Amino acid sequence: AQSVTQLDSHVSVSEGTPVLLRCNYSSSYSPSLFWYVQHPNKGLQLLLKYTSAATLVKGINGFEAEFKKSETSFHLTKPSAHMSDAAEYFCVVSARGDYKLSFGAGTTVTVRA
Amino acid sequence: DADVTQTPRNRITKTGKRIMLECSQTKGHDRMYWYRQDPGLGLRLIYYSFDVKDINKGEISDGYSVSRQAQAKFSLSLESAIPNQTALYFCATSRGTGGRVVAGELFFGEGSRLTVL
Repeated sequence: AQSVTQLDSHVSVSEGTPVLLRCNYSSSYSPSLFWYVQHPNKGLQLLLKYTSAATLVKGINGFEAEFKKSETSFHLTKPSAHMSDAAEYFCVVSARGDYKLSFGAGTTVTVRA
Repeated sequence: DADVTQTPRNRITKTGKRIMLECSQTKGHDRMYWYRQDPGLGLRLIYYSFDVKDINKGEISDGYSVSRQAQAKFSLSLESAIPNQTALYFCATSRGTGGRVVAGELFFGEGSRLTVL
């Protein structure tokens, strides 16, 4: 069994300040972990993925996430928020090699000018 | 043009009506999926298909059926729509290499918003 908990349903930041989106996971097997982003009226797009290589994963648009097994966490960060980062973000877990994905409830990011 | 195309993008219907949501893809992927998104619940898997002859139920298949007409086409039907099927529906595709899935790398359409009155 596997699941993810996104600890914040909504995050509001000022443009140019850091963004932190928190995700904790639970998995009976070695997990693969992902972050997806959904912009308004669009489908989901893969931001980055962890599949057992480096624990610090870099993604698109300046985002990165760190896999911490001891804390069962996979938090997403960006050093400097841009207005275009306003979107909903989903943390996702699967057992490695498995097609079955478990999505978190999502975190909505608002960026203030 | 989008790689994964869903039609219709928006639909309002009445309780008891039959509804079909269609999905077509140009990515050449074998695997296709239908998900449902509800606020605060993330995405939940309705049905998935690994090839034209392989269709499987997901976690919330009751009240839904699917048809894989071709490698590139995967449709979702609500035989008798009810209000709690009001949601945003996503079609997605993924690669699969032999027996191993490239897990997590899904490619999504832009969604079909369904309202059942």
